[in-house]
Amino acid sequence: GESVGLHLPTLSVQEGDNSIINCAYSNSASDYFIWYKQESGKGPQFIIDIRSNMDKRQGQRVTVLLNKTVKHLSLQIAATQPGDSAVYFCAETGGEGSGSRLTFGEGTQLTVNP
Amino acid sequence: DAGVTQSPTHLIKTRGQQVTLRCSPKSGHDTVSWYQQALGQGPQFIFQYYEEEERQRGNFPDRFSGHQFPNYSSELNVNALLLGDSALYLCASSLGQGNHNSPLHFGNGTRLTVT
Repeated sequence: GESVGLHLPTLSVQEGDNSIINCAYSNSASDYFIWYKQESGKGPQFIIDIRSNMDKRQGQRVTVLLNKTVKHLSLQIAATQPGDSAVYFCAETGGEGSGSRLTFGEGTQLTVNP
Repeated sequence: DAGVTQSPTHLIKTRGQQVTLRCSPKSGHDTVSWYQQALGQGPQFIFQYYEEEERQRGNFPDRFSGHQFPNYSSELNVNALLLGDSALYLCASSLGQGNHNSPLHFGNGTRLTVT
């Protein structure tokens, strides 16, 4: 079936560097994308979302880029901090009957080295 | 403003037993979804409740059932537990069905271990 997946399972960066986490999706009907952060022992925490009629959206230290042509989503974290260490998931929804049902990728473990 | 709360936080059951997990949605939310997250994987959609009815269902067997109460809280029931049911069960709430203006808010989950 169609799914959302991530290119890299792990990413290690130095504190203060910028991080880029990538995600590929296969459902061309997807119209809404969300990035979640999940720390150990906690549930996923909403970071930022983007609709399919946009190609970029910025939040506080985070930017999401959407390339519908190649079905690719990325999350950029500026000036990465140790507190950013977590697993990051992209999720998508959209298409007929999807409602608010989210399809998640497998996640990228981000480790920030001091 | 209380977020999504789930109980219990941890649970250990034996194969063949039944389990009930509980969830209270974020204040103001009326839709509850349940997800199963196996270790090292992303959450997988089980089902969604809105107006006390199951509205959508993922690829899970009938052993998984649920309920939503008039106060919007919800329960997830799993019968005839299998070892493979061991996972983190996440509850998420939102306002309205399929409302892109209301992203899902997740609780911290119930860690179920089946021995």
